[in-house]
Amino acid sequence: EAGVAQSPRYKIIEKRQSVAFWCNPISGHATLYWYQQILGQGPKLLIQFQNNGVVDDSQLPKDRFSAERLKGVDSTLKIQPAKLEDSAVYLCASSAAGYTEAFFGQGTRLTVV
Amino acid sequence: RKEVEQDPGPFNVPEGATVAFNCTYSNSASQSFFWYRQDCRKEPKLLMSVYSSGNEDGRFTAQLNRASQYISLLIRDSKLSDSATYLCVVTEFGSSNTGKLIFGQGTTLQVKP
Repeated sequence: EAGVAQSPRYKIIEKRQSVAFWCNPISGHATLYWYQQILGQGPKLLIQFQNNGVVDDSQLPKDRFSAERLKGVDSTLKIQPAKLEDSAVYLCASSAAGYTEAFFGQGTRLTVV
Repeated sequence: RKEVEQDPGPFNVPEGATVAFNCTYSNSASQSFFWYRQDCRKEPKLLMSVYSSGNEDGRFTAQLNRASQYISLLIRDSKLSDSATYLCVVTEFGSSNTGKLIFGQGTTLQVKP
């Protein structure tokens, strides 16, 4: 079974630039999560989708972050403009339902300079 | 108060030692509980689910105390390969009745020869 696919694996940008991350969840998984993990901390939920609807985006900095999950499958997360404090690993995960085991992609390591 | 709190660690133990990690959660309505393992620069992966009656998987034992809102993970006969960060995860349900996974900050274990 194919896992969660994410791209790119690494990205270095200058502050105030824009960046986008892509995620393809496990086939059939209705729930998709985007997490931000800063070095030394646990993953922090940014946004959760159930199919193509947003379930929770309470911790998403909406002035600069946006995410969409068109057709309830792939998802993109965008940051515009980026700040130095956005340097982190962005993890995408999917699960069959919102209370079951989540499977993670390898993440995108973002460095903002 | 953080939604999910863990011992900060790091825990440095010799091979063969028994080590225990603790985790507390703030939302008494939380439904599902998990321990995830995260190796350095890798994505989190499910170690085990935590059931009300307690459960064991080889050298690993997880326990849940709903009254105290407390979860534990016990590792017996530690191996070098157990060195990793252990993340406590709790599912909370929002107004849409869709669960979301909330992670603790993680506890780092270093097993030494």
